[in-house]
Amino acid sequence: DAGVTQSPTHLIKTRGQHVTLRCSPISGHKSVSWYQQVLGQGPQFIFQYYEKEERGRGNFPDRFSARQFPNYSSELNVNALLLGDSALYLCASSPGQPTDTQYFGPGTRLTVL
Amino acid sequence: AQKVTQAQTEISVVEKEDVTLDCVYETRDTTYYLFWYKQPPSGELVFLIRRNSFDEQNEISGRYSWNFQKSTSSFNFTITASQVVDSAVYFCALRTSGTYKYIFGTGTRLKVLA
Repeated sequence: DAGVTQSPTHLIKTRGQHVTLRCSPISGHKSVSWYQQVLGQGPQFIFQYYEKEERGRGNFPDRFSARQFPNYSSELNVNALLLGDSALYLCASSPGQPTDTQYFGPGTRLTVL
Repeated sequence: AQKVTQAQTEISVVEKEDVTLDCVYETRDTTYYLFWYKQPPSGELVFLIRRNSFDEQNEISGRYSWNFQKSTSSFNFTITASQVVDSAVYFCALRTSGTYKYIFGTGTRLKVLA
């Protein structure tokens, strides 16, 4: 079975632009979480979605938004990009129960110039 | 507040040596979950092991073993007979009951030299 997939793999944007990152969960998984990993740090939680509803949100500004589609795939949107948004964005999926283990995708590396 | 500390920034060992990665966590919850993930240069976080706070025994899975000590809030991870392919950054993570997010440590970079 395929694991979590993310697109694109790499992305270069300039300050002020908008970006959309995409994630497809493991087949049968209904929950998707997004994390930001700045170089040299551990991942930081951004959002979790379950059955198209936001179930949790981390300490990120409103420039960050996300949504989940009926097929459980998800998009992360970031508006008005800042240099500090440069990071690896990781998507994780889990079956859906809060106690389930999260399985991560390969990430999208975003560079903001 | 919840927090995960990985004091070891980088460890280098020679192949076939055993290596232990340290993790100390903070939480006031009585029910929580601890994880170890491996991040190779490709970037993907690979799930390794999970331990629930209410589990009684430490376990061994192949070359991996872990030592959970509630008294010292530690969740250490050992690789036996290390291999070059074990070279990666290893993250310890905590999830407490009632939240959905994982709290990660800053990671330990393991270099296994041939």
